[in-house]
Amino acid sequence: DQQVKQNSPSLSVQEGRISILNCDYTNSMFDYFLWYKKYPAEGPTFLISISSIKDKNEDGRFTVFLNKSAKHLSLHIVPSQPGDSAVYFCAARLSWGNEKLTFGTGTRLTIIP
Amino acid sequence: EAQVTQNPRYLITVTGKKLTVTCSQNMNHEYMSWYRQDPGLGLRQIYYSMNVEATDKGDVPEGYKVSRKEKRNFPLILESPSPNQTSLYFCASSPSWNTEAFFGQGTRLTVV
Repeated sequence: DQQVKQNSPSLSVQEGRISILNCDYTNSMFDYFLWYKKYPAEGPTFLISISSIKDKNEDGRFTVFLNKSAKHLSLHIVPSQPGDSAVYFCAARLSWGNEKLTFGTGTRLTIIP
Repeated sequence: EAQVTQNPRYLITVTGKKLTVTCSQNMNHEYMSWYRQDPGLGLRQIYYSMNVEATDKGDVPEGYKVSRKEKRNFPLILESPSPNQTSLYFCASSPSWNTEAFFGQGTRLTVV
């Protein structure tokens, strides 16, 4: 049972426009959410996170929005740059848990120059 | 440089031949984990360790063993590898349970 879902396997966006990556989850006990970015032949690298007590967190070009009632989060990248082309994973952590991350299946973002 | 180092990066082996993938971190992190990445399934946790001599099963522990004798090292052991363990493996570490994890570069394992 996939508790964290990324329903779009791929997304193409024009350079300079906004990229919106979506993630849904089913476990209401998740209370911390993270986005990771992964280039080919490299490990995932941390991008941005959000606690369930917030609905928005911003870091430069990256903003994560959390809608707890809908069990939905999204990552906005503005403006999109060619270096943003990568696979993006959302991940969630239980409030009482260990450091275990439950990952989504990933969305491959391609920025078109 | 702060990093998580996995070895080897690539490995092809035969069914039943025991192997070990090493993982080492130089950040003095308490928490370490192993994940496997498979197409359409994302990353799934195999085992984790909250400290030295403290390990526990993740979501897909069958066929794997781990040990944590020292804080910096967390090897993944496949006693009798099978083809369904062909996958991309990542080791990760984090300073505490509520901070982001740092990942190694991955080990691509093929079992024939």
